Amino acid sequence: KAGVTQTPRYLIKTRGQQVTLSCSPISGHRSVSWYQQTPGQGLQFLFEYFSETQRNKGNFPGRFSGRQFSNSRSEMNVSTLELGDSALYLCASKGGTEAFFGQGTRLTVV
Amino acid sequence: DAKTTQPPSMDCAEGRAANLPCNHSTISGNEYVYWYRQIHSQGPQYIIHGLKNNETNEMASLIITEDRKSSTLILPHATLRDTAVYYCIVRNYGGATNKLIFGTGTLLAVQP
Repeated sequence: KAGVTQTPRYLIKTRGQQVTLSCSPISGHRSVSWYQQTPGQGLQFLFEYFSETQRNKGNFPGRFSGRQFSNSRSEMNVSTLELGDSALYLCASKGGTEAFFGQGTRLTVV
Repeated sequence: DAKTTQPPSMDCAEGRAANLPCNHSTISGNEYVYWYRQIHSQGPQYIIHGLKNNETNEMASLIITEDRKSSTLILPHATLRDTAVYYCIVRNYGGATNKLIFGTGTLLAVQP
């Protein structure tokens, strides 16, 4: 069974640009959540999608958004990038009681 | 979700048991204790979870006190590859949500 796949693995963007990250959950899993990890703030919950609907949202500005498609794949978008958005972005899929994480996308904003 | 408290770091000799403590004094009756670990720059990896009984799987054992206010994750024979940050999380079992609240975790350094 394939794991959670996140693309791309690494990304460099310039301040002010926007970025889209992709997450393909484990087959059969309908819940996808996103997390941001920085050295200063640790792992922080961004949002969660289930059956194409946002079910939970963390305390992040509106520049951070996401969506989920009918095949459960999810994307997150960050607009007007700031230097502080540099982080490891992780997604997790859940089908039962445990959440399984992808390897993350390392975003660097310059 | 209840808050957890973990020591920031611990050392363990290779081949010995690593015992990682976690306090969750505000845990409620329907909340489970979950453990994840994160090896440097990788995604967190699920280890084990439990409610009130001790649990064991191929990776680790979880010992939960009778009052459920604390727990210990045990890696029976630590290897260098077990060096990671270990997170103890309390959350509703299964639940409708996939939201995990991570604390700062414990950095376990396994020494050769």
